[in-house]
Parts: sequence; structure tokens; C-alpha cells
Amino acid sequence: DTAVSQTPKYLVTQMGNDKSIKCEQNLGHDTMYWYKQDSKKFLKIMFSYNNKELIINETVPNRFSPKSPDKAHLNLHINSLELGDSAVYFCASWKAGELFFGEGSRLTVL
Amino acid sequence: DAKTTQPPSMDCAEGRAANLPCNHSTISGNEYVYWYRQIHSQGPQYIIHGLKNNETNEMASLIITEDRKSSTLILPHATLRDTAVYYCNVRGPAGNTGKLIFGQGTTLQVKP
Repeated sequence: DTAVSQTPKYLVTQMGNDKSIKCEQNLGHDTMYWYKQDSKKFLKIMFSYNNKELIINETVPNRFSPKSPDKAHLNLHINSLELGDSAVYFCASWKAGELFFGEGSRLTVL
Repeated sequence: DAKTTQPPSMDCAEGRAANLPCNHSTISGNEYVYWYRQIHSQGPQYIIHGLKNNETNEMASLIITEDRKSSTLILPHATLRDTAVYYCNVRGPAGNTGKLIFGQGTTLQVKP
């Protein structure tokens, strides 16, 4: 069983569109994250939720809106996509000193 | 959150030990040192973490200096599959819901 799963793995879309990436963890963890890895391979934290509550919100454009319907899910919705949003987005969950990452969702904005 | 400094790249011969250094001179007393690696474009993978004492698990050993300002990750017998970007991070205690910040990391190339 995959511990942290993300869908879709690949997403190609046009500028201006709205898209969502879903994340689910079956580890029973309370804390989940979204990270963005750009073409230069820097991993930047975007958001964190603890038990459905937003606890970290880095300087991210408000076109990005995370949603946590329950503590096993943390989805990322992006409005009005821009070229600079092209990246790999990683979801992760945290417990007991360890971050568990999903395999990433590669978003390409044309 | 304390900042970490790592060399951008290192080479290691297959079968030899790979020693990856990390500088974290501004680490706070309750912050742990964490190591992750990212193989190609996969999700980062946890390796090991420690506070003060040296730690060892099935993947690696972590040596933390007495003043805690630096650490070394040791892969005792590197294989080609250990070629990856290795990230050294610091953050608060396990129960803390703070953020783990990733730096540039060290690209380790294991050569036959």
C-alpha cells in the first residue's frame, strides 16, 4: 500500500486554467504538507495542515488554495495557472520525526 | 529555523564509504538534525535524524559534533543506487509541527 499517494502524477494544462492535485495518506498522521520543487530543484514548503487546520502558509500567491476535508487528505487547488507554476508538487505527511513524501505531481503550464 | 550549508556535489567510488558533511552552526538546543535524499525525481526519502548522540540505522550513520554545529552522514558501502541529492535539515522536536526547510543539498555521484 502506498503511504502517501498523489493524483494526478502528470498534468499538462493551458495558462489561465484552474486545476487541482489530490493527496491522501493512509498512515494515520495528523500533519500534512505541500512542497513545490521548481526547475532548479529547490524544494520549497508551501502549506501545512495539522488535523485539518492550516498551520503554515508560506508566501504563496492566493491563487493557491489548500483544502483538507479530513486529516487523511490535503488537496491543492490552483486558479488562473501561470507559466511559473510549472513544477513538481510534493505532498508529505509528518509524524514522530519523519516526513513521508508522495511521488510528486508534475504540473506543466503551456 | 537554523540554516544548513552543504557542498554542492561529491563523488564516491562504489563500495567505499560516502561521508557527506553538513554545517548547521546556528542550530538551537532543541533542534534535531535530519537527513533526506532524493533519487532522481522521486519524492524525498527519510534517512536518519539525531539530536546530540551519534545514530545508526540500516541505511546510514549520523555523526554529530559535540558542539552540534556540524554533522556527517556516512553511507558505509555506497552503491550505484545511492546516487542522489542528499539534504541536511534542522527542525524542532518530533512533536513540533514546524516546517522542514530544504537547502540545495549535496549531489552524490557514486561511480563504478
